[in-house]
Amino acid sequence: GAGVSQSPSNKVTEKGKDVELRCDPISGHTALYWYRQRLGQGLEFLIYFQGNSAPDKSGLPSDRFSAERTGESVSTLTIQRTQQEDSAVYLCASSLWTSGSYNEQFFGPGTRLTVL
Amino acid sequence: QQPVQSPQAVILREGEDAVINCSSSKALYSVHWYRQKHGEAPVFLMILLKGGEQKGHEKISASFNEKKQQSSLYLTASQLSYSGTYFCGTDKAAGNKLTFGGGTRVLVKP
Repeated sequence: GAGVSQSPSNKVTEKGKDVELRCDPISGHTALYWYRQRLGQGLEFLIYFQGNSAPDKSGLPSDRFSAERTGESVSTLTIQRTQQEDSAVYLCASSLWTSGSYNEQFFGPGTRLTVL
Repeated sequence: QQPVQSPQAVILREGEDAVINCSSSKALYSVHWYRQKHGEAPVFLMILLKGGEQKGHEKISASFNEKKQQSSLYLTASQLSYSGTYFCGTDKAAGNKLTFGGGTRVLVKP
């Protein structure tokens, strides 16, 4: 079956522009995560959606970052007024969610964002 | 708070063993291990839960010392395919929001 897909795969933008990144999770996965990975660094948690619950936005670095998810499907991560320090690979992951249990996260290929 | 991984990098010959550690200053509920090959997305390896339960796919072993708030991943008889960056992710309570460490780069040479 299809895995997690992300678009675009690469995005080059000018400082100050807004960008929108898209994630299509695996069908049936109610949990969706966004991470940021700077060059040579680890995975930095940004935001987590689970079903109809309020998203956990505790990892968003500033109010320039926002994300939405429509039901249990597509999610978009929006970065407004981009800065050069926003340059990174943005990874999306999805998983099944079972109360009191853990499930593996399936990662998408990422969107490489370059802010000039 | 981000868990600390050690070593930061390790180079092995095929067939050699290595241990990767993941430590936290706070009590942990679970530890998750992922491997990322260069230019690819991270791939799940294993989940270790408080109380001893483990869930994983590959023939890679790991341990979770709850008292020391530490987990170790054991690469035994390493293969070329083990090369990549290994990340541990931790959480403090039941839930799937993970905080990942900085990663350990593993290179297995023929």
